[in-house]
Amino acid sequence: GAVVSQHPSRVICKSGTSVKIECRSLDFQATTMFWYRQFPKQSLMLMATSNEGSKATYEQGVEKDKFLINHASLTLSTLTVTSAHPEDSSFYICSASRGNSPLHFGNGTRLTVT
Amino acid sequence: TQLLEQSPQFLSIQEGENLTVYCNSSSVFSSLQWYRQEPGEGPVLLVTVVTGGEVKKLKRLTFQFGDARKDSSLHITAAQPGDTGLYLCAGGSGGYQKVTFGIGTKLQVIP
Repeated sequence: GAVVSQHPSRVICKSGTSVKIECRSLDFQATTMFWYRQFPKQSLMLMATSNEGSKATYEQGVEKDKFLINHASLTLSTLTVTSAHPEDSSFYICSASRGNSPLHFGNGTRLTVT
Repeated sequence: TQLLEQSPQFLSIQEGENLTVYCNSSSVFSSLQWYRQEPGEGPVLLVTVVTGGEVKKLKRLTFQFGDARKDSSLHITAAQPGDTGLYLCAGGSGGYQKVTFGIGTKLQVIP
């Protein structure tokens, strides 16, 4: 069964509003979670590394004030897209790792900004 | 920046045919993973290879890690429609966590 749950699976919002996406590790504690973005016909691009109890580490070119990441517990990380615009429309995916083991991915969130 | 190139990017074959997809880089990776992704879903791990020259088999899928740990291949024997999907390779350095993904090979197996 799924070990990483992502919610919502789809969301449509109006330009200028904010959207929160949740990523939960279901049966293990994840000290580190990762957030990716995937455009059509492109691969997963790492946006940021979410560390429990500390600030996220963002990849070059990713606006930390626009993509707010909170990792308040060992089983939950959230990504908030603030003041969303149509160009933010994309497929957002999170992943979590049980220590030094391969990543488990959530099922992704399809964000459409109108 | 470590880059992973996958080829071909698109592949459409008839059921029963064999195929090989490739993942190449100029960088050395400590591990390489292969994932399969269905539309609208997250990637699902198929295999991890860590040793140069390593070969792993998963039913009809055979994965090989290059001797220099810069490249990998995935061979599917007697492809079935259920094999349809996007196959992604991902290279890791110093552990599994922070990995670089290739662009993927979109496979379609026609019944």
